[in-house]
Amino acid sequence: ELKVEQNPLFLSMQEGKNYTIYCNYSTTSDRLYWYRQDPGKSLESLFVLLSNGAVKQEGRLMASLDTKARLSTLHITAAVHDLSATYFCAVDWGARLTFGEGTQLTVNP
Amino acid sequence: NAGVTQTPKFQVLKTGQSMTLQCAQDMNHEYMSWYRQDPGMGLRLIHYSVGAGITDQGEVPNGYNVSRSTTEDFPLRLLSAAPSQTSVYFCATRDGPSEAFFGQGTRLTVV
Repeated sequence: ELKVEQNPLFLSMQEGKNYTIYCNYSTTSDRLYWYRQDPGKSLESLFVLLSNGAVKQEGRLMASLDTKARLSTLHITAAVHDLSATYFCAVDWGARLTFGEGTQLTVNP
Repeated sequence: NAGVTQTPKFQVLKTGQSMTLQCAQDMNHEYMSWYRQDPGMGLRLIHYSVGAGITDQGEVPNGYNVSRSTTEDFPLRLLSAAPSQTSVYFCATRDGPSEAFFGQGTRLTVV
């Protein structure tokens, strides 16, 4: 059974600071996705990482994938309040998409 | 182009009642899945389908049934609702092994 673990689960940071969210998974896969969820809303796709060494950037967020280490990171640069949300990683395993527990990010002024 | 449509958005059930959560997609995606979201537990896979006529169990299938008679629809049936099934339910579609697109969710309360 594939297990996906994120850390930290809760992150409170100041505007302007940098931080990284980690996503570890237990079984070989070369497809990983990051999603954002605002309170009371559905999930929105952020990044699609399809191979070892893949790196994607959008605004203040950058995601990377190391399939050998079974690790993905979501790096936040110079955080702003609008980034406050819950972030999920999800790993492709056969036809199943398995999610981490989510990281609840709060960016304080 | 509506994407993924879930109905109803909110539902209150009494223990022991049955109901069907509807999910319809107009993206012609092969894969469809049902997840439940509970605080602190991320999204857990209930059932999934890789095409019409093909379904399989996920992590937490007990108490739920599915069928997939068409590409477009993937209903989730609660056979006899229990308070432990109080949750937010999301339907998702994928064009094969690729990113998922989610419906708006159904918030279910079982009393």
